[in-house]
Amino acid sequence: RKEVEQDPGPFNVPEGATVAFNCTYSNSASQSFFWYRQDCRKEPKLLMSVYSSGNEDGRFTAQLNRASQYISLLIRDSKLSDSATYLCVVNMAVSDYKLSFGAGTTVTVRA
Amino acid sequence: DGGITQSPKYLFRKEGQNVTLSCEQNLNHDAMYWYRQDPGQGLRLIYYSQIVNDFQKGDIAEGYSVSREKKESFPLTVTSAQKNPTAFYLCASSMTTGDHEQYFGPGTRLTVT
Repeated sequence: RKEVEQDPGPFNVPEGATVAFNCTYSNSASQSFFWYRQDCRKEPKLLMSVYSSGNEDGRFTAQLNRASQYISLLIRDSKLSDSATYLCVVNMAVSDYKLSFGAGTTVTVRA
Repeated sequence: DGGITQSPKYLFRKEGQNVTLSCEQNLNHDAMYWYRQDPGQGLRLIYYSQIVNDFQKGDIAEGYSVSREKKESFPLTVTSAQKNPTAFYLCASSMTTGDHEQYFGPGTRLTVT
């Protein structure tokens, strides 16, 4: 089983729509969770950290469900500029700085 | 401006040649990482270093070597032993406290023919 699994998509949505997707992780002891955004042929950039209580940053909302071992990302009022691949990233061990990356979920927002 | 730089952006080499990719950071981060990304795939960890003069193998270290002589620098050498070296190489750094979120350089696209 992969450490971090994501639905690859693509999710094709019209401007203004809401889109949401999840990722699952295998290690119940995982401590830190993130969503990164990667544009085509560019480096990943940190979108937001994910906290146990859930957190919001503008149009983006992230949730963590430790019991079911998944995190989610919801994008409200989608913009054309939200088109990207979203990477789910998990720190698998308290004593380790390594991160495990999902393969990404592709979102395409159309006009 | 603080950040991570990688050079060059594009690199072309003939099969059988070693090549070294540069990574420099001025974020004062202790930890640095090298990843490889192939089309349509996730990032795979090659090597990482948590402190100067120390580094550990990641998941796909065969055919690669690194050094960490300075905190700011973590060069990666792709040797001729690496069977499929053509890929997008990403360097990252992080603090060793807190959540350990990583920050990436712009990457180097290596093509070996």
